[in-house]
Amino acid sequence: GDSVTQTEGLVTLTEGLPVMLNCTYQSTYSPFLFWYVQHLNEAPKLLLKSFTDNKRPEHQGFHATLHKSSSSFHLQKSSAQLSDSALYYCALSALNAPRFGAGTKLSVKP
Amino acid sequence: EAGVTQSPRYAVLQEGQAVSFWCDPISGHDTLYWYQQPRDQGPQLLVYFRDEAVIDNSQLPSDRFSAVRPKGTNSTLKIQSAKQGDTATYLCASSFGGQGAETLYFGSGTRLTVL
Repeated sequence: GDSVTQTEGLVTLTEGLPVMLNCTYQSTYSPFLFWYVQHLNEAPKLLLKSFTDNKRPEHQGFHATLHKSSSSFHLQKSSAQLSDSALYYCALSALNAPRFGAGTKLSVKP
Repeated sequence: EAGVTQSPRYAVLQEGQAVSFWCDPISGHDTLYWYQQPRDQGPQLLVYFRDEAVIDNSQLPSDRFSAVRPKGTNSTLKIQSAKQGDTATYLCASSFGGQGAETLYFGSGTRLTVL
């Protein structure tokens, strides 16, 4: 079945440093990939999504490139801000409801 | 535009008790999802509907969990005889269309604690 792997449970960064959160996936089909962000005591919200190979959607300074050859959709940002501290979920959907990874907690320190 | 509304916000039960969660999706959204999110884990799909029809309930523990969406709008998720392992946040989400590309809009969730 479809699955999403996020290898880092916790990423701690100093403000201003670059962010990279890993996401790899397995799917029989050609899926849509999503990043959702969940701030403390809030509902998850879409950050960005992609279906097209090697296309780089961007939102709020974050970007992610879908690489079908390596089944990856890593999330990146050039400079972390304190307000980026949150849970980040990678999700996959192939003609059905999205399946989510375990999530990565990003903690940005001053 | 109103978002996805869930109630109650919190529930605390003893093992063996029953509980129901209610969800009102965004108006016009035909697809409704229920996810279970244990502490420190990602959302795990329980069931989803398109209009009033169940599309996938394969992950719903059918002996104790049930979900309905009788008029294709609001939905109720019920747990009969709750267990400590059911402790989690229950998230409802909605979207327009359910073919895979759609953005899910989540409610604030119901945080369930089973003692």
